Amino acid sequence: SQQGEEDPQALSIQEGENATMNCSYKTSINNLQWYRQNSGRGLVHLILIRSNEREKHSGRLRVTLDTSKKSSSLLITASRAADTASYFCATDPAVSGEYGNKLVFGAGTILRVKS
Amino acid sequence: ETGVTQTPRHLVMGMTNKKSLKCEQHLGHNAMYWYKQSAKKPLELMFVYNFKEQTENNSVPSRFSPECPNSSHLFLHLHTLQPEDSALYLCASSQVDGYTEAFFGQGTRLTVV
Repeated sequence: SQQGEEDPQALSIQEGENATMNCSYKTSINNLQWYRQNSGRGLVHLILIRSNEREKHSGRLRVTLDTSKKSSSLLITASRAADTASYFCATDPAVSGEYGNKLVFGAGTILRVKS
Repeated sequence: ETGVTQTPRHLVMGMTNKKSLKCEQHLGHNAMYWYKQSAKKPLELMFVYNFKEQTENNSVPSRFSPECPNSSHLFLHLHTLQPEDSALYLCASSQVDGYTEAFFGQGTRLTVV
């Protein structure tokens, strides 16, 4: 079954506004990762947050993780037209005795930033 | 440029053809992966190689055959594919440690006609 599910499926905002995307998952995890994809190209890694972390920042990005609710959020502040892309959360499931990025992806949020 | 290179970028093949996708990573990682991204579906993990050994085959049909000759190279051999196999095939690499990210290539856009 699908591990990560993003909400909303699509988001349209004006340049300069903040964008928040949410992700829910179902099983225990080693970490949760957020990726960005521009129109049918490869994925670009944004942030990795480990299961024992609650918040992480990188430039205009802020990620939170609530393992009790099995949810995460990605906040992009002061958005730009160049932020227009699809954003995916991916979980690295915690399997006893195993490590590795056997990532399980959600369906993604399509973000459109209008200039 | 992420350090993971995939070739070709685009491929059109007939259902009776045999072709191969190639992936190369220059990051010194010890694990490599194939993912499939179909229209309107989440990315699906197909195969995992840790230290050149296949550790995951996610119920992938036998018409897809992976090969990992060394820790830097990964191939996906394709034969007798179906039109529904048309998708973006993404290669990724990472360290196997539970706390570092995966790096993805630009993908191969495959169309089966």
